[in-house]
Amino acid sequence: AQSVTQLGSHVSVSEGALVLLRCNYSSSVPPYLFWYVQYPNQGLQLLLKYTTGATLVKGINGFEAEFKKSETSFHLTKPSAHMSDAAEYFCAVSMDTGRRALTFGSGTRLQVQP
Amino acid sequence: EAQVTQNPRYLITVTGKKLTVTCSQNMNHEYMSWYRQDPGLGLRQIYYSMNVEVTDKGDVPEGYKVSRKEKRNFPLILESPSPNQTSLYFCASRVGRGPMNTEAFFGQGTRLTVV
Repeated sequence: AQSVTQLGSHVSVSEGALVLLRCNYSSSVPPYLFWYVQYPNQGLQLLLKYTTGATLVKGINGFEAEFKKSETSFHLTKPSAHMSDAAEYFCAVSMDTGRRALTFGSGTRLQVQP
Repeated sequence: EAQVTQNPRYLITVTGKKLTVTCSQNMNHEYMSWYRQDPGLGLRQIYYSMNVEVTDKGDVPEGYKVSRKEKRNFPLILESPSPNQTSLYFCASRVGRGPMNTEAFFGQGTRLTVV
C-alpha cells in the first residue's frame, strides 16, 4: 500500500521568503513522486516529478524538490516566494503495480503575505 | 490546445435524480480517470480506464459508474445521487500507461451539490 502525508494544511510565508512544503510517503516499492499545484477554481497542474535518476528535481515556476529515500521525503521548496505562488499544493505517489493510480496527500494551502 | 474538458462546471441536483458529467480529451491518451476532491482528504480516485472498453474501480467507486466507448470520452454517471456525493470532481488523462507518466492533464473540475 502507498500513502502520502503532508505536514501542515496551511503554510504562510512573506513575499521573498523561502517556501518549504513537506511531504513524506510510504511505499512498499520504489515510488514515483509528484507535486501538483491548484489555483483557485482550477484543475491541478503538474509542478514536477521524480521517477528515477537525479534526486533533486526542478519544476516550473522556480520550484524544486529533493527525493530522500532514507527519510522517505519529497519536500517542495522555492527560494523566494511570490504573491502568485499562493495556491494549494498536493504531493502524490504512484507505484508500478496494479492500477498505477496516484495517491494524493491532503494538500497544503500556501499563503504569501506582502 | 491540449486539454481535458469537463461539463458542466457547476451542478445542483436533487437526491436520486440521475446525472452524467462528461469528460473529453483531445490528446489521444489511453489512460483516463475520475477523482473527487474533499476538504482534508486530497483527491481520491473513483474509476479509471486504461483504454477503450477497459474500466476498473479506484478507491471510492461506490455510487458511480463510468463508460469508455471512445478513446476521447470518459463520462461519470451517478445513477442515484446522494448528498454524500456532494464534492468537486476532476477528470484527468495520462500520456502513457506507466505510473511515471502520471496524470499531467486535469479538467477544470465539476462542483456537484446534491440536496
